[in-house]
Amino acid sequence: AQSVTQLGSHVSVSEGALVLLRCNYSSSVPPYLFWYVQYPNQGLQLLLKYTSAATLVKGINGFEAEFKKSETSFHLTKPSAHMSDAAEYFCAVSVRGGTSYGKLTFGQGTILTVHP
Amino acid sequence: DADVTQTPRNRITKTGKRIMLECSQTKGHDRMYWYRQDPGLGLRLIYYSFDVKDINKGEISDGYSVSRQAQAKFSLSLESAIPNQTALYFCATSESTSGGHTDTQYFGPGTRLTVL
Repeated sequence: AQSVTQLGSHVSVSEGALVLLRCNYSSSVPPYLFWYVQYPNQGLQLLLKYTSAATLVKGINGFEAEFKKSETSFHLTKPSAHMSDAAEYFCAVSVRGGTSYGKLTFGQGTILTVHP
Repeated sequence: DADVTQTPRNRITKTGKRIMLECSQTKGHDRMYWYRQDPGLGLRLIYYSFDVKDINKGEISDGYSVSRQAQAKFSLSLESAIPNQTALYFCATSESTSGGHTDTQYFGPGTRLTVL
């Protein structure tokens, strides 16, 4: 079975600073990896996904993530935080076959706060 | 995303009552999912359906049941609600794709359920 660990339930940054949200995964087969964002009182929206093409994945709103197999990581970054980035971010993993095929397993979530 | 709608958006009920949460989608997707979100736990899968005749339990199905009335409709029922079922519930959809890999899941706005 696959799993995801997000390091840090809360991250606080200043506007204009680098955003780094950490995600480590566990999977016995090659994974697909996703980052979703949840703004207050809304559902989840896909930021980006890794599906075994390029290891550096670019998403919406200036976010990107790099798949590192050796580190089993898929950290989310943005060079310069904006106030509108304040939200909760979820990392998720799915696999390409077996009994878990087609299902997402989510991390615990990281709440990003952006200070003026 | 208005393509996935959930009703009701908010519901307060009492212990022992039967509750139904409804999800409809206009995306034409064949796969539908029900998750619950609890603070610090991320999203956990309750049930999922890969087509109208295929329904499967997720990791936390106890106390819940589902019905896939049509490709576009997937309902979640709590037969006898209890306070620890107080949570935010999300419906999601995805499209099965050739090659067998998981595609993006699209989420509804959520239903906030409170069981007193």
